[in-house]
Amino acid sequence: QVQLQESGPGLVNPSGTLSLTCAVSGDSISSINWWSWVRQPPGKGLEWIGEINHSGTTNYHPSLKSRVTVSIDKSKNQFSLRLSSVTAADTAVYYCARRPSCPGGDCSVNYFDYWGQGTLVTVSS
Amino acid sequence: DIQMTQSPSSLSASVGDRVTITCRASQDISNYLVWFQQKPGRAPKSLIYAASSLESGVPSKFSGTRSGTDFTLTISSLQPEDFATYYCQQYRSYPITFGQGTRLEIK
Repeated sequence: QVQLQESGPGLVNPSGTLSLTCAVSGDSISSINWWSWVRQPPGKGLEWIGEINHSGTTNYHPSLKSRVTVSIDKSKNQFSLRLSSVTAADTAVYYCARRPSCPGGDCSVNYFDYWGQGTLVTVSS
Repeated sequence: DIQMTQSPSSLSASVGDRVTITCRASQDISNYLVWFQQKPGRAPKSLIYAASSLESGVPSKFSGTRSGTDFTLTISSLQPEDFATYYCQQYRSYPITFGQGTRLEIK
């Protein structure tokens, strides 16, 4: 069974950098998947942040692109998120998720099929 | 960006009712739409993918349809565990975008 687990500081200072890691078990980070980050401000909807694949190719939401870096660590079977220059608007539950990369050319399954439990990150001094 | 407009934003219904939630895409996304259910404090859970395919292990009372850029999620015979928030999401193109959610409450 595939499992994802987020970890990182729950409190970040304004103007600082948010850093989270997602540990993957039950699947190899080198498999043909996209490894994604999604966030949800308290009481609000879901927002896709960005993703990375096994070869290190990344895609980012245009509104966050200037502040976001997603990286991969194959030796630890995990991937990470860094979001710089944070403000209170970045306070949210951050989820990591897996998205299969069109296996056998079937892109109908190219959606988030496994999620972490989520971790709340609060931006405050 | 492809905008996903979901309606209604909230819905009150009774146990045993049948409800329908709609999601409209701002442009053609083919069938690249997934419906999620989210309960408080939990990660989203996929119900329907490719607009109308039932996720493994999900009860058949959940169904999805597509008509052009309009998508519907229907839940028949509501049970207490179905009261949650539902989101649609398109995966046709970047950036991946979600509907704003529909909160389904017990009447």
